[in-house]
Amino acid sequence: DVKVTQSSRYLVKRTGEKVFLECVQDMDHENMFWYRQDPGLGLRLIYFSYDVKMKEKGDIPEGYSVSREKKERFSLILESASTNQTSMYLCASTSRPSRAVVNYGYTFGSGTRLTVV
Amino acid sequence: AQSVTQLGSHVSVSEGALVLLRCNYSSSVPPYLFWYVQYPNQGLQLLLKYTSAATLVKGINGFEAEFKKSETSFHLTKPSAHMSDAAEYFCAVSGSGGSYIPTFGRGTSLIVHP
Repeated sequence: DVKVTQSSRYLVKRTGEKVFLECVQDMDHENMFWYRQDPGLGLRLIYFSYDVKMKEKGDIPEGYSVSREKKERFSLILESASTNQTSMYLCASTSRPSRAVVNYGYTFGSGTRLTVV
Repeated sequence: AQSVTQLGSHVSVSEGALVLLRCNYSSSVPPYLFWYVQYPNQGLQLLLKYTSAATLVKGINGFEAEFKKSETSFHLTKPSAHMSDAAEYFCAVSGSGGSYIPTFGRGTSLIVHP
């Protein structure tokens, strides 16, 4: 079974901490994505990456950065966590070309529920 | 620009009843449309998609959706609800501006009563 694995299901961090959320996929996918999910707001795209060392801003990149040093791993970084970043974070991947999003849809991880106190 | 509106944040049905989850979209180009399902404590899973072939699309678990261009709608239906259908359902649209990345709706929580 193909998989997108998010390293933590639940995280509790303090305001001001630097937070790393890790995502690993075993499908050799080129495209990887980070979303945040909030009740009543659906999924909002934070960042995505089409290739190693490449990144593109999504709709809500403020307060976040990403790292893609290896094809299988896409990390989301909260430089200085704030309480308004308390949320569910979902990682997803799909194969090249970008049209694969249409043909095959995303493969999602199970999510990381982050609480910032 | 593209957007999706899901009518009703919660829909409640009895087991065996018809399921109807509503989705309306706006897109400047012919759209690609999707329904995803999220079971508790899991990621999203593709339920079905419309990519300009047949307007009635069949998906997994007995769900189907019909693309109606005149109504800019892509409503999700299932003839008979099961308890296991209780989940969050997301409609999504892509294709506008040459981007294939979907824009998601706010989600509809389906509640199934015994």
